[in-house]
Amino acid sequence: AQKITQTQPGMFVQEKEAVTLDCTYDTSDPSYGLFWYKQPSSGEMIFLIYQGSYDQQNATEGRYSLNFQKARKSANLVISASQLGDSAMYFCAMRENNAGNMLTFGGGTRLMVKP
Amino acid sequence: DADVTQTPRNRITKTGKRIMLECSQTKGHDRMYWYRQDPGLGLRLIYYSFDVKDINKGEISDGYSVSRQAQAKFSLSLESAIPNQTALYFCATSTGTGGWMNTEAFFGQGTRLTVV
Repeated sequence: AQKITQTQPGMFVQEKEAVTLDCTYDTSDPSYGLFWYKQPSSGEMIFLIYQGSYDQQNATEGRYSLNFQKARKSANLVISASQLGDSAMYFCAMRENNAGNMLTFGGGTRLMVKP
Repeated sequence: DADVTQTPRNRITKTGKRIMLECSQTKGHDRMYWYRQDPGLGLRLIYYSFDVKDINKGEISDGYSVSRQAQAKFSLSLESAIPNQTALYFCATSTGTGGWMNTEAFFGQGTRLTVV
């Protein structure tokens, strides 16, 4: 079974609008962390935001927030006030405490921001 | 200079050739990883190393080997390249010390490999 599932291969959003990128995960480990990375067309991987399984509040970093619903095993990324520079691939990833230090990635969502 | 440096950035090679991708880091991290990225599949782990004497296979290690020459250096080899190894390859590092669970992995710029 897939550990990280991103069901939206591609999405469009109008500039200045908010957009939600979906991520669901599968783990039986009570201690885990969830990460979002951005990959622009240049190819580098840029860390955006982190949410720990024991964190009581949803993580926020500037225009990025993580809608963490633990019971539903979802960790959706919300980008507010989209900008043209937000056009990129976005990857959700998970690190499990009992699985060592490696990150397991989803298949990614390509976001395209329309002017 | 980048904290995690991969060489080469782009490479075209022929089927059957041996090729090495190199990674060096200045983060001082003990943990290093090699991933490959294919469209629609995200990043998949090839090999990882928690220190110089510790090498572990990841999800898709067949056809690959690695060498951890020093804490800062981790190379990936394709012993006999085949076309379905055409992909974007990433090296990454992370800390294994306090607070490691919530610390992000740092990635190199990627190596685009084409096997013809």
